[in-house]
Amino acid sequence: IVLTQSPGTLSLSPGEGATLSCRASQSLAGNYLAWYQQKPGQAPRLLINGASSRATGIPDRFSGSGSGTDFTLTISRLEPEDSAVYYCQQYGGSSSFAFGQGTKLEIK
Amino acid sequence: EVQLVESGGGLVQPGGSLRLSCAASGFTFSSYWMNWVRQAPGKGLEWVADIKEDGSEKYYVDSVKGRFTISRDNAKNSVYLQMDRLTVEDTAVYYCTRGTSGAQGYWGQGTLVTVSS
Repeated sequence: IVLTQSPGTLSLSPGEGATLSCRASQSLAGNYLAWYQQKPGQAPRLLINGASSRATGIPDRFSGSGSGTDFTLTISRLEPEDSAVYYCQQYGGSSSFAFGQGTKLEIK
Repeated sequence: EVQLVESGGGLVQPGGSLRLSCAASGFTFSSYWMNWVRQAPGKGLEWVADIKEDGSEKYYVDSVKGRFTISRDNAKNSVYLQMDRLTVEDTAVYYCTRGTSGAQGYWGQGTLVTVSS
């Protein structure tokens, strides 16, 4: 399974909303799709799993949606600290764990 | 608090070997799948390998099959990655991760492996 994320880079202002897309080359059984945030010099952090369930401690400004082959990460009321690279990942099925190539979100 | 601490990274020549370790704490280690994920400099994330709770199942990304071996010691709350026949393409930060409902719920800080002559 290949995951394609778009756009490659997104530049927005504080207070705006962001929509990040992740498209799978084939339907993901069980919607086993996760989203991660990675800031420079840090390890990734799990934001969303099961396509729409927020991980522990993740603010409700972050939401995930989608099913089948098309998934979306939506970040509302952007804050400067949301600047990061966001990755989607599919999991499940013989330990297949492909990542998307990432979307860089810049908050200016 | 869940903690994952990797060690063992460093500089190695092409064709050489290295063994990474990950010490886990703050959870019942023997109840979770464990993974290794890597990130080449300036690049994206790549899942490398995982191992079942009791070590009975192990899976690898195609590019490391036959060269890397994942193992665990539940008595020591540790997971390992033995890397043999290393190539320059294996240069990356290697993260130890713990599964959470299938996804990578917890990550260590990573250890850098540099393969260069």
